[in-house]
Amino acid sequence: DAKTTQPPSMDCAEGRAANLPCNHSTISGNEYVYWYRQIHSQGPQYIIHGLKNNETNEMASLIITEDRKSSTLILPHATLRDTAVYYCIVRLTRGGNNRLAFGKGNQVVVIP
Amino acid sequence: EPEVTQTPSHQVTQMGQEVILRCVPISNHLYFYWYRQILGQKVEFLVSFYNNEISEKSEIFDDQFSVERPDGSNFTLKIRSTKLEDSAMYFCASSLVEDTQYFGPGTRLTVL
Repeated sequence: DAKTTQPPSMDCAEGRAANLPCNHSTISGNEYVYWYRQIHSQGPQYIIHGLKNNETNEMASLIITEDRKSSTLILPHATLRDTAVYYCIVRLTRGGNNRLAFGKGNQVVVIP
Repeated sequence: EPEVTQTPSHQVTQMGQEVILRCVPISNHLYFYWYRQILGQKVEFLVSFYNNEISEKSEIFDDQFSVERPDGSNFTLKIRSTKLEDSAMYFCASSLVEDTQYFGPGTRLTVL
């Protein structure tokens, strides 16, 4: 699976949109971009995933660049409960190994 | 909304003892996983399980570890003879097919 690069930490203002970047310059054509988050020591929580097109669900939006070498997770209105470590993971979903390779992630702190 | 559950939430054991960590995956899911997270470190893949057999395991998953799906609902991780370095959060996950994995809240294992 392709490697990803995220900033180690960032602060966001409560009520504002939080834009979380991720670089995955070695992504291959059939690899998906997945986002999870982990609040304190709880189990990782699935947020969203995508292949080429932008995606949106009730939690967030995922913007993937046209060349697919980077993506941005957008939390539209950050709340204090969004403080967590956010993981960007690139992986195959069919035919590849099934493991999720977690990196160190991006420690996001939402500030009142 | 269906979710993965794990018991116990916290397990304390003496070094050399056997422990069994239990998970109830989401009911219609077919793929099952164990991950662990040592305090302050990354989430690490241990093993994936499909169709009643291990489909993939990491180098961490040595002969001291085993997994089992003893009935139609439970998925267990057994550590035969615990070591101090097995102290960690253990997360179970499940997926319907080889795509989005949903995680349980974890079991904190403390080996004394």
